[in-house]
Amino acid sequence: KQEVTQIPAALSVPEGENLVLNCSFTDSAIYNLQWFRQDPGKGLTSLLLIQSSQREQTSGRLNASLDKSSGRSTLYIAASQPGDSATYLCAVRPGTDKLIFGTGTRLQVFP
Amino acid sequence: EADIYQTPRYLVIGTGKKITLECSQTMGHDKMYWYQQDPGMELHLIHYSYGVNSTEKGDLSSESTVSRIRTEHFPLTLESARPSHTSQYLCASSAAGTGVRYEQYFGPGTRLTVT
Repeated sequence: KQEVTQIPAALSVPEGENLVLNCSFTDSAIYNLQWFRQDPGKGLTSLLLIQSSQREQTSGRLNASLDKSSGRSTLYIAASQPGDSATYLCAVRPGTDKLIFGTGTRLQVFP
Repeated sequence: EADIYQTPRYLVIGTGKKITLECSQTMGHDKMYWYQQDPGMELHLIHYSYGVNSTEKGDLSSESTVSRIRTEHFPLTLESARPSHTSQYLCASSAAGTGVRYEQYFGPGTRLTVT
């Protein structure tokens, strides 16, 4: 059974720091991996999607990497800002049907 | 603009009432999903659909039901609301077919409180 774990569960950093959020999954047979952002009480916003054949994707200050063989993905946020404060969720798609979500990393960036 | 809409955004209702949470998408997606999320907790898939007239139960048992009569519309119904149904309900959709990315997009959510 696929399980997705995110470490750390919570992170508080000063503005301007570069930071790394970690996601690990137990079964390397995935179709793709998706990173989301969720603000309190809101829906999820898709940040990056990495297909199983890809190693990384970049969007602005965000870079996500995928190492399928070791069951790991990282989300790198450069030059963090207070507006980046949110919960970040990693999700893997084992086939073409459903996503399996991690429990998230709650990020706070203070000025 | 292509998007996913959920109404109402907030709902406070008494025990025993029948409620329907609406979800519509203009993305042209075949697959649609309903998730339940308690505050600070992980998302649980409760229903999904491959297309018109297709509905499947998700990983978390739910007393709700869904229907898919039109591609763009995927409503969720609770016949008799209970306090244990208090939660946030998130609707999502994704494309389907050969060569697609299967990127999943979410609506803004409905926060339901049953008193």
